[in-house]
Amino acid sequence: EVQLVESGGGLVQPGGSLRLSCAASGFTFSSYAMNWVRQAPGKGLEWVSGISVSGDGRYYADSVKGRFTISRDNSKSTLYLQMNSLRAEDTAVYYCAIVQRLSVWGKGTTVTVSS
Amino acid sequence: EIVMTQSPAALSVSPGERATLSCRASQSVSSNLAWYQQKPGQAPRLLIYGASTRATGIPARFSGSGSGTEFTLTISSLQSEDFAVYYCLQYNNWPQWTFGQGTKVEIK
Repeated sequence: EVQLVESGGGLVQPGGSLRLSCAASGFTFSSYAMNWVRQAPGKGLEWVSGISVSGDGRYYADSVKGRFTISRDNSKSTLYLQMNSLRAEDTAVYYCAIVQRLSVWGKGTTVTVSS
Repeated sequence: EIVMTQSPAALSVSPGERATLSCRASQSVSSNLAWYQQKPGQAPRLLIYGASTRATGIPARFSGSGSGTEFTLTISSLQSEDFAVYYCLQYNNWPQWTFGQGTKVEIK
């Protein structure tokens, strides 16, 4: 079964950092580009970041550029999102998703930025 | 950046009635348009991709149409489980996905 499982969310103070992980199984992780998508409470879906198959191509929404870093470890079938200088507006559920397989999303991990 | 605009923001429909949701792109996305359904506390569920192809397991009452900049999702006869928020997604210019702001389908 194709599966994505996010982890690493939690409560963090403004200005703090978190690293999210997305563990992939049931498919050849190293063959697919990956995305992070987030959803603030009561709001819509927002693309956050994407990474190419090899990891050489990394792309960010303007709202997180310079603060977030996407990476992947194909040997561990895991996607990461390093989030620094967190702001209240980064509070959201963060989902990982497979770019070429639009039906496959994780269940999400919740990030709350608050003092 | 491609901007996706959905209309209406909310739609009140009686069970058994037809619902028509629209999504407009600020520039052509060809047929690289998907529709998702989301219920509270759940991840989005893919309904339609390629503008008009139903995803695996999606009932035939869901249909999509359009290309270029104008797209429509039609639910032919609303069932109780269809009341949810629906999002369109353009995936024409990866890596930047762009979502519409959503249409909430409510019980009338």
